[in-house]
Amino acid sequence: AQSVTQLGSHVSVSEGALVLLRCNYSSSVPPYLFWYVQYPNQGLQLLLKYTSAATLVKGINGFEAEFKKSETSFHLTKPSAHMSDAAEYFCAVSDRSSNTGKLIFGQGTTLQVKP
Amino acid sequence: DTAVSQTPKYLVTQMGNDKSIKCEQNLGHDTMYWYKQDSKKFLKIMFSYNNKELIINETVPNRFSPKSPDKAHLNLHINSLELGDSAVYFCASSPTETYGYTFGSGTRLTVV
Repeated sequence: AQSVTQLGSHVSVSEGALVLLRCNYSSSVPPYLFWYVQYPNQGLQLLLKYTSAATLVKGINGFEAEFKKSETSFHLTKPSAHMSDAAEYFCAVSDRSSNTGKLIFGQGTTLQVKP
Repeated sequence: DTAVSQTPKYLVTQMGNDKSIKCEQNLGHDTMYWYKQDSKKFLKIMFSYNNKELIINETVPNRFSPKSPDKAHLNLHINSLELGDSAVYFCASSPTETYGYTFGSGTRLTVV
């Protein structure tokens, strides 16, 4: 069965600092992986995804993530944090065994950006 | 022209009542989903329909019943509401497994 674990429920960075949000996955088949962002009182928005093409994936708002099979990781990074990046971030893996498109989400990481 | 729209956005109701949440997507996607987000922001899938056919029916109380009159609509009906049903309910749609989801803005249900 597929699963994801996000290390760190809360991450705090200063404006302009590197953002690193960690995600590790477990999957018995090659995974499809996603990062979503949720701003307060809004729905989730897709940031980027890995679906077995390039292992370094670039997304919206300057975010990128690297798929590392050997480490079963898909960490999200951004070189320089903006105040507007403060939000909840979710890593997700597609449950490919069910063939339903079902996404299994991690517990979420709250990103705080300090001025 | 919102891609995935849910109504209502907020719903406050008393225990024991029956309520419905509606979802519509204008993206032409074949598959729609209902997720529940609890107070700790954990997202758990409830149901999914592919072109009006139920394909995911997770372990949820049978007080919850989805209905999909056509592939653009997926509604959620909840009978005999309980305090523990208070949460944010998200509708989402997707065309393929690799595309990812497009989410609605959520319905915050508060049972008092």
